[in-house]
Amino acid sequence: EIVMTQSPATLSVSPGERATLSCRASQSVSSNLAWFQQKPGQAPRLLIYGASTRATGIPARFSGSGSGTEFTLTISSLQSEDFAVYYCRQSNNWPPGPLTFGGGTKVEIK
Amino acid sequence: QLQLQESGPGLVKPSETLSLICTVSGGSISSSSNSWGWIRQPPGKGLEWIGSFFYSGGTYYNPSLKSRVTIFVDTSKNQFSLKLSSVTAADTAVYYCAHKGDFWGQGTLVTVSS
Repeated sequence: EIVMTQSPATLSVSPGERATLSCRASQSVSSNLAWFQQKPGQAPRLLIYGASTRATGIPARFSGSGSGTEFTLTISSLQSEDFAVYYCRQSNNWPPGPLTFGGGTKVEIK
Repeated sequence: QLQLQESGPGLVKPSETLSLICTVSGGSISSSSNSWGWIRQPPGKGLEWIGSFFYSGGTYYNPSLKSRVTIFVDTSKNQFSLKLSSVTAADTAVYYCAHKGDFWGQGTLVTVSS
């Protein structure tokens, strides 16, 4: 099973600042990497797929990069609605391999 | 617009079987390009993929749950279902159904307790 590790666990950022979140895979997942945003009491929402393609309706301040084992989600200028938990997910060899998620990064107001 | 809605008991006793239904609207469950599945999230914790089926063929499960999980489809009702047997407190979670692993229902909390 491919293990996904996200860092940091918590990121304290002021509104308007840039946030950089990291996700590392235990083996190469090529570009089969997605990012999700989850707010309290809500289901996760797809932000980025294919490592760098924004999903429909996602603002341009969200960008993804990376391939292989190292990935980054950047939020260029944090808005109040961006404070949430972010998860990465790999889908390499799915199926039959499993989908696996990182443990999440909580972006909180500094 | 695609919508997914989970339904089922919110409380299940230990050792019994958890059963949930996902009703799909705004799209056909029987489209050959579609996959449908389940993901869960224990309270305050991260996300765990349970399993998915591909209408073009094949149902796949998380190896850690495979012995206890069944996902099956009712195309006449545009629904798919999850059964998880021999539940314990560790199976307490919000259960989400999802389309292609990307678009999720709102989730339903299932608590395992006597």
